Amino acid sequence: EPEVTQTPSHQVTQMGQEVILRCVPISNHLYFYWYRQILGQKVEFLVSFYNNEISEKSEIFDDQFSVERPDGSNFTLKIRSTKLEDSAMYFCASVGAGGSGELFFGEGSRLTVL
Amino acid sequence: AQSVTQLGSHVSVSEGALVLLRCNYSSSVPPYLFWYVQYPNQGLQLLLKYTTGATLVKGINGFEAEFKKSETSFHLTKPSAHMSDAAEYFCAVTNDYKLSFGAGTTVTVRA
Repeated sequence: EPEVTQTPSHQVTQMGQEVILRCVPISNHLYFYWYRQILGQKVEFLVSFYNNEISEKSEIFDDQFSVERPDGSNFTLKIRSTKLEDSAMYFCASVGAGGSGELFFGEGSRLTVL
Repeated sequence: AQSVTQLGSHVSVSEGALVLLRCNYSSSVPPYLFWYVQYPNQGLQLLLKYTTGATLVKGINGFEAEFKKSETSFHLTKPSAHMSDAAEYFCAVTNDYKLSFGAGTTVTVRA
């Protein structure tokens, strides 16, 4: 069964360092998302991406964040200069055109900023 | 705009008892509604979804939910809780390919 894959599963970094989280969405999907879940809190929308550009972003997604689809398969989230409060689980998701709008989520990448 | 409210951040049930998790939504257009489950240290797994048609939807692991438009609700139930149901449950709504999640309800199951 097709699935969304994310790497790394866990990354520990020092405050101020750049981090890139990688996602491989389901191959025929067209909409891509990043969500964030701080420990013990709700899952929060960060950004959606369609047709090679950001279609919507939340107030969380400030200038420190960027997304890219560098090739036909990967979808990356970059945090330019990490802060302690960026520590969270980051989920990538994708959805195909039409259908029920069901998002298929990856297993998540846990980011710990020290 | 769309939003989801889950009533009760924590539910504790005895094994074999009914599980009821409440979800109310607001949406300006007919919504698609979802319940996701998150087991400890794992990702989000779809339990069930409502798009159109029958308002009572059945999902995996014996869960079901009923869409009630008049009450703007999509409560999740399971007749008999199992120890393996201990997890975090998220209700979500979308009508524009962007999913909005509720705050989540943690379910614990007592032996």
